[in-house]
Amino acid sequence: DTEVTQTPKHLVMGMTNKKSLKCEQHMGHRAMYWYKQKAKKPPELMFVYSYEKLSINESVPSRFSPECPNSSLLNLHLHALQPEDSALYLCASSHNTGSSYEQYFGPGTRLTVT
Amino acid sequence: AQSVTQPDIHITVSEGASLELRCNYSYGATPYLFWYVQSPGQGLQLLLKYFSGDTLVQGIKGFEAEFKRSQSSFNLRKPSVHWSDAAEYFCAVGRTGGFKTIFGAGTRLFVKA
Repeated sequence: DTEVTQTPKHLVMGMTNKKSLKCEQHMGHRAMYWYKQKAKKPPELMFVYSYEKLSINESVPSRFSPECPNSSLLNLHLHALQPEDSALYLCASSHNTGSSYEQYFGPGTRLTVT
Repeated sequence: AQSVTQPDIHITVSEGASLELRCNYSYGATPYLFWYVQSPGQGLQLLLKYFSGDTLVQGIKGFEAEFKRSQSSFNLRKPSVHWSDAAEYFCAVGRTGGFKTIFGAGTRLFVKA
């Protein structure tokens, strides 16, 4: 199984809502990532978890709150978002030992903030 | 600092024609190099990777790439393009022991019949 799944596929939320994005992988990867991708741009790294601990936070606003409950799951909690946060949110996973850091991406959640 | 340059914002090729997408990188040591493809509204899929060894790397879907250290390049090639290859292609560089992958701006490939 080389699949990373993300739910929901689409999400529309108001600026006062609280919602969560979910990501799951069963490849035994111990590194998991959140990226934000705006249209016609490359993905921008937001967070990295390694062995369920937050390893990298790319100065992301606190209205985005990541969580890694176990080695297979990664959540992104959203609260009080702004319209400019509308984007495709991608989850990825990889091994975090040895020389191989190629990442496996999920299909993304298309988020629209109204 | 690491950086990746994809000089072509978009490229149009005829179906059946050959393809070369350019990628140049800036890195102080031997980089880990990747090519990813993204279809509209989808996630990224790894096409191929280079870590060491043979500088000509074979990937999925008939793609290959050649690492040229002297030119700091990692160009992606395909001998015969299919309409289904139309997508966005990202070159990326990583480093030993690091989680950060630096992506190029991407090249949008259009395939005409």
